[in-house]
Amino acid sequence: DQQVKQNSPSLSVQEGRISILNCDYTNSMFDYFLWYKKYPAEGPTFLISISSIKDKNEDGRFTVFLNKSAKHLSLHIVPSQPGDSAVYFCAASASGYSTLTFGKGTMLLVSP
Amino acid sequence: EADIYQTPRYLVIGTGKKITLECSQTMGHDKMYWYQQDPGMELHLIHYSYGVNSTEKGDLSSESTVSRIRTEHFPLTLESARPSHTSQYLCASRSAGSYEQYFGPGTRLTVT
Repeated sequence: DQQVKQNSPSLSVQEGRISILNCDYTNSMFDYFLWYKKYPAEGPTFLISISSIKDKNEDGRFTVFLNKSAKHLSLHIVPSQPGDSAVYFCAASASGYSTLTFGKGTMLLVSP
Repeated sequence: EADIYQTPRYLVIGTGKKITLECSQTMGHDKMYWYQQDPGMELHLIHYSYGVNSTEKGDLSSESTVSRIRTEHFPLTLESARPSHTSQYLCASRSAGSYEQYFGPGTRLTVT
């Protein structure tokens, strides 16, 4: 049973507009969440994270929102750029655990 | 900047061969991880290590084995490769005080 779900396999956005990638989780023990970006034939690179004591974290064009009651988080990219085209993975961890649980990813395509 | 290396980047090998995928990091991280990932799927944890002489099996059953004799080195071995082992293998590491894992570029393995 998937504990981290990214229900949109793909998303297409025009350059300059906002990209919103969604992630849902089922395990109430999760208290730290991360977003990774992955290009084909490369390893994932860390983008941004959020602790469950916050509901928003911002880093440049990237903002992550966390809704604990809904067990939902989202990644906003504003403005979107063609170089943002990649697969985005949501990941979660629980305090005291060394491992991450990943979603299946959402492929973002930003067209000029 | 994360420094974690994987070799080879690509490998095509016949069924029944023994292979070792190399992973090294220069950050002095205690915790290291191996994931298996197929297109459109989540990263599946197959092995991890808390430090030297520590190895644990991950969530996904795997016929591979790992060793951790040195902090910086975490090789993965398949004694007898099969077509079902065809996948991308990703190595990662992290420091004790952080949730963020840093990934290597991956090894794309094809077993014919």
